[in-house]
Amino acid sequence: GQNIDQPTEMTATEGAIVQINCTYQTSGFNGLFWYQQHAGEAPTFLSYNVLDGLEEKGRFSSFLSRSKGYSYLLLKELQMKDSASYLCAASDSNYQLIWGAGTKLIIKP
Amino acid sequence: TAGITQAPTSQILAAGRSMTLRCTQDMRHNAMYWYRQDLGLGLRLIHYSNTAGTTGKGEVPDGYSVSRANTDDFPLTLASAVPSQTSVYFCASTRTSGTTGELFFGEGSRLTVL
Repeated sequence: GQNIDQPTEMTATEGAIVQINCTYQTSGFNGLFWYQQHAGEAPTFLSYNVLDGLEEKGRFSSFLSRSKGYSYLLLKELQMKDSASYLCAASDSNYQLIWGAGTKLIIKP
Repeated sequence: TAGITQAPTSQILAAGRSMTLRCTQDMRHNAMYWYRQDLGLGLRLIHYSNTAGTTGKGEVPDGYSVSRANTDDFPLTLASAVPSQTSVYFCASTRTSGTTGELFFGEGSRLTVL
């Protein structure tokens, strides 16, 4: 079956760095997405990886290893506004998205 | 720019009643989707539409129906609501199906079925 695993909750300190991991199993693979979702709001797109390696976008970076079925989202210089849930989603052979349950990130001062 | 608009924002519904959640986008996107989001679970696809005039079933279609009469609108109907349909519903769109473009989401409709 198809499956996405990511931690349920993580806590980090303002100004620090945090890495949110995601492992996936899909029938075929057409890329890995990360979305951010603040409480009570809609998910918003953060990043997309289809090739192995690290993609950097400001304070956020996303990494993919296709051979390991693994991705992570790296958040640097954490700010209080980064408190949110981070959703990992893999695109399968039919370009359907398989979603993880999300990682709730709590930032403490 | 509006993007995707959903209505209502929230609703309390008696079991057995029908309800239509509205979704309108102004981005001329071809593909539209309805997801439900429940605590502890990932977003689950209910129905989708790759282009106006076509619809398809997602992972959890039972008890829901959709239509796509034009590019902009994609309403979701619950014919006879049950408590297990209590959830937050998100409408989303992307420019073209079968690609890896990002999804744009509406603000969500919180539905409680009693």
